[in-house]
Amino acid sequence: DAGITQSPRHKVTETGTPVTLRCHQTENHRYMYWYRQDPGHGLRLIHYSYGVKDTDKGEVSDGYSVSRSKTEDFLLTLESATSSQTSVYFCANSPGGSPTYEQYFGPGTRLTVT
Amino acid sequence: DAKTTQPTSMDCAEGRAANLPCNHSTISGNEYVYWYRQIHSQGPQYIIHGLKNNETNEMASLIITEDRKSSTLILPHATLRDTAVYYCIVRAMYSGGGADGLTFGKGTHLIIQP
Repeated sequence: DAGITQSPRHKVTETGTPVTLRCHQTENHRYMYWYRQDPGHGLRLIHYSYGVKDTDKGEVSDGYSVSRSKTEDFLLTLESATSSQTSVYFCANSPGGSPTYEQYFGPGTRLTVT
Repeated sequence: DAKTTQPTSMDCAEGRAANLPCNHSTISGNEYVYWYRQIHSQGPQYIIHGLKNNETNEMASLIITEDRKSSTLILPHATLRDTAVYYCIVRAMYSGGGADGLTFGKGTHLIIQP
């Protein structure tokens, strides 16, 4: 079990507005991830974190920033939302540091940018 | 990460075993085979993984051929709730941690028929 909650679960926003999505884990996992899922593209990694204040870019990081000030929270920010960022966003965590490295996903946030 | 090939869709009768194949002919020695599934409108769910030995857990069994070029995920007694897209993923196990993203292909849409 990921022990992950995401908020909000649904959001509609206008082009040009800033948006922050929150991922909260009850586990104390070091690694956390943000993905987006779009039809025809599968899941794509946006950013990931390997510890408090330690983050790095994924495959599709342009237009997104992240922050991790506490182990349990990983925030994804769209500084100025665009219609191309309409998507379903999934947060995941991983125990890492072990031979398994499986990832556990949250329920997702459906974001619509109009 | 090695590329995988899966059938686009499969049907299985409820109560029967569902056998989902995956080809990964270019897998290298340090790469594991992972299976995830995604039920409609939910986040992906980790199922099982293995390196070269067959594995079983409470959800499924994973059979990996001796040459490791293909594998089969077995759901022993499929139920309607097992209807989902199943993803076979091959990825290396890095010694420094799990801070890399998963690459999901198109997967197999498994439909359990009543």
